[in-house]
Amino acid sequence: TQLLEQSPQFLSIQEGENLTVYCNSSSVFSSLQWYRQEPGEGPVLLVTVVTGGEVKKLKRLTFQFGDARKDSSLHITAAQTGDTGLYLCAQADRGSTLGRLYFGRGTQLTVWP
Amino acid sequence: DVKVTQSSRYLVKRTGEKVFLECVQDMDHENMFWYRQDPGLGLRLIYFSYDVKMKEKGDIPEGYSVSREKKERFSLILESASTNQTSMYLCASTPGGGGGYTFGSGTRLTVV
Repeated sequence: TQLLEQSPQFLSIQEGENLTVYCNSSSVFSSLQWYRQEPGEGPVLLVTVVTGGEVKKLKRLTFQFGDARKDSSLHITAAQTGDTGLYLCAQADRGSTLGRLYFGRGTQLTVWP
Repeated sequence: DVKVTQSSRYLVKRTGEKVFLECVQDMDHENMFWYRQDPGLGLRLIYFSYDVKMKEKGDIPEGYSVSREKKERFSLILESASTNQTSMYLCASTPGGGGGYTFGSGTRLTVV
């Protein structure tokens, strides 16, 4: 079983603040994905990272993949109320072509106006 | 726009009923998945399918079965609903070879 730990579990901040959430694995990733889930909806894919040390940017969101491919972080600059949601990281099942992902339990982010 | 459609957003069923949750995708994806999501427990995989009529158990298959008669449709069946199956059920699909999931909007099932 591939274990993904996400921290913090909950985060509550004011609009305009910066934040970072973390995802750590007990094993080396083959690839890692980040999703955001809004209340009452299914998760939506934000980004996939594959290469150790990789950094990807999506507007105010910066995703980083650790060099050893066992950890990842998501940094949000100048948070907005629309960033509120559950942020999930997911790790691909190594050696499998069946597409199975293992999900962390998520970070619940609330951004207050 | 690509889509995964779950037939119901909200369902209320009685204990002991047989419940069918339907999921349809229009992306010609090979792989389809059923998860349940509970507070504090995250997403747990119930069953998945990598081809028509093929299925694999996930981490919590007990009390559930699945059917995939056509590539685009993956059904989750609760043989005899129980209150501990009250949950949010999420369907997802992905192309063969893996990649990002496309999720449906979920079905919130309440068993009373």
